[in-house]
Amino acid sequence: AQTVTQSQPEMSVQEAETVTLSCTYDTSESDYYLFWYKQPPSRQMILVIRQEAYKQQNATENRFSVNFQKAAKSFSLKISDSQLGDAAMYFCAYEDSGTYKYIFGTGTRLKVLA
Amino acid sequence: GAVVSQHPSWVICKSGTSVKIECRSLDFQATTMFWYRQFPKQSLMLMATSNEGSKATYEQGVEKDKFLINHASLTLSTLTVTSAHPEDSSFYICSAKGAGTEAFFGQGTRLTVV
Repeated sequence: AQTVTQSQPEMSVQEAETVTLSCTYDTSESDYYLFWYKQPPSRQMILVIRQEAYKQQNATENRFSVNFQKAAKSFSLKISDSQLGDAAMYFCAYEDSGTYKYIFGTGTRLKVLA
Repeated sequence: GAVVSQHPSWVICKSGTSVKIECRSLDFQATTMFWYRQFPKQSLMLMATSNEGSKATYEQGVEKDKFLINHASLTLSTLTVTSAHPEDSSFYICSAKGAGTEAFFGQGTRLTVV
């Protein structure tokens, strides 16, 4: 069965600095999707970025980028120029290509310090 | 991105009564919908997967007779918590997936059973 591990329960970053959130996963599949979601205090799940496993190029969305290492099964999220509005819970998720189920990590709470 | 509307946002009900939560995809056809439960400061736990016109598939440990899921159309799925008890109090989130897209999440429903 697939698993997703986020080893950092909480991270802090100074405003305008860069922070990297870690995520590792385990799967025997070769084609799949990975996601990072942000959950602010409103608890609305917001898609930050997604990566298709067959694409070697790392996904980028403005200040958010990933470091996807398929062989190592690692999928870290880099947030550049951190802003106060980036403070939230961040969940890494794996999509099972057969059932479309999402397997979520335990989350990382990001604090942004002014 | 696509919009998924979940209603109500919060509900308080008396112990022993039933409560229904709706999840609607507003601008796309959702072939698959998912229901999650989230405890405070924890990750999302998948309860069940529903496909339009067929019976929901429940995750291990989820009581299908307590959590009734109906997916009668390509834009609507409902979760009914039957004979609710205080231990059913939680945050419930739905997500909807169309063909070839990622899943989009509703705003969530905070259920309090008193």
